[in-house]
Amino acid sequence: EAEVAQSPRYKITEKSQAVAFWCDPISGHATLYWYRQILGQGPELLVQFQDESVVDDSQLPKDRFSAERLKGVDSTLKIQPAELGDSAMYLCASSLLSGLDEQYFGPGTRLTVT
Amino acid sequence: GNSVTQMEGPVTLSEEAFLTINCTYTATGYPSLFWYVQYPGEGLQLLLKATKADDKGSNKGFEATYRKETTSFHLEKGSVQVSDSAVYFCALKFGANNLFFGTGTRLTVIP
Repeated sequence: EAEVAQSPRYKITEKSQAVAFWCDPISGHATLYWYRQILGQGPELLVQFQDESVVDDSQLPKDRFSAERLKGVDSTLKIQPAELGDSAMYLCASSLLSGLDEQYFGPGTRLTVT
Repeated sequence: GNSVTQMEGPVTLSEEAFLTINCTYTATGYPSLFWYVQYPGEGLQLLLKATKADDKGSNKGFEATYRKETTSFHLEKGSVQVSDSAVYFCALKFGANNLFFGTGTRLTVIP
């Protein structure tokens, strides 16, 4: 069964350092999402891509976060510089055609900033 | 704005007990409603959904009914198993817009 792949699964970094996460959606899925899940809370959308275009990044802290999906397939989320408050689980999800379709989630990357 | 309020956990039940996890929402209009489940070490999985009032979503013995009058979507299961131990998230969505999640409820089922 096809799955959303994410790496790394765990990342520990010091504050002020740069960190990057990678996501490979299910093959053929046009829509890709990055969510942040702070411990004890539900996931919150950071950015949504339709193919290679950003369709919603209203909740992305653009002073330090960036996301790209250059060829409309896999995606990278970057934080620079990392802050203590960025410690969270970063989830990637994909859906077939649009936001109307079911979202399939990857296992997430757990980030700890020290 | 849109929000989802879930019953706080953790919830601990004995095997074969009846489960209810409460979920209420605040929204302008009539969203689609979802329950997602997150098993240890895994990503979120869609458990069930309902797209309009009075719809009942069901899957793997779990059920939830979309109640417009009480703005609720409570999750129920008649007889839980140890394998149901997980974190359950209630969520809402309008059309193609993004999902709004509740804070999650951790369920532990003991033999």
